[in-house]
Amino acid sequence: DGGITQSPKYLFRKEGQNVTLSCEQNLNHDAMYWYRQDPGQGLRLIYYSQIVNDFQKGDIAEGYSVSREKKESFPLTVTSAQKNPTAFYLCASSIRTGLPPYEQYFGPGTRLTVT
Amino acid sequence: AQSVTQPDIHITVSEGASLELRCNYSYGATPYLFWYVQSPGQGLQLLLKYFSGDTLVQGIKGFEAEFKRSQSSFNLRKPSVHWSDAAEYFCAVGARSGGSNYKLTFGKGTLLTVNP
Repeated sequence: DGGITQSPKYLFRKEGQNVTLSCEQNLNHDAMYWYRQDPGQGLRLIYYSQIVNDFQKGDIAEGYSVSREKKESFPLTVTSAQKNPTAFYLCASSIRTGLPPYEQYFGPGTRLTVT
Repeated sequence: AQSVTQPDIHITVSEGASLELRCNYSYGATPYLFWYVQSPGQGLQLLLKYFSGDTLVQGIKGFEAEFKRSQSSFNLRKPSVHWSDAAEYFCAVGARSGGSNYKLTFGKGTLLTVNP
């Protein structure tokens, strides 16, 4: 089945530690996205990548880093510089060619808790 | 820059009643518009999308939405709500962001509670 995999579903870390969230897709999509979701805040864009080896900052990139070495994978690292990292993180992907609109397909999410 | 407003944070309806969730957008050109649904602790599922053509769009699970350019709105409707429709609903607008980059901007969501 085609889809987006995010692992793990729940992640716990101590303050001051970096942590990497996994996102893998087998939809053959060029574009991938990372969002952060907090209660009552909707989804806020952290980083996005339209092609391999290229990515752009979203609206709340500070304290996060990404890489895009393979089309299928777009890992997100939450660094110790992120002041409030506890949140629900969602990965998404979409096509980026042909006629719009380009709907995004979402993974099941990773809930990160930092204490 | 584009933006989306969902005026209702929480709506409660009775099972079998009709539903309308409001969405207003701000964007200078013709928008790409989407409605997504999220069950607790899950990812988002696309309900429907609009770019051009017929302003009344049909989606999955019996939902529909109407695009009204004059009101900058894209309201989601369902004639008869089922208990399984209880979830959070997000409206989003898609737009180009510098060159060939493309991204969605989401509203803050409307939480739907369905009473038996």
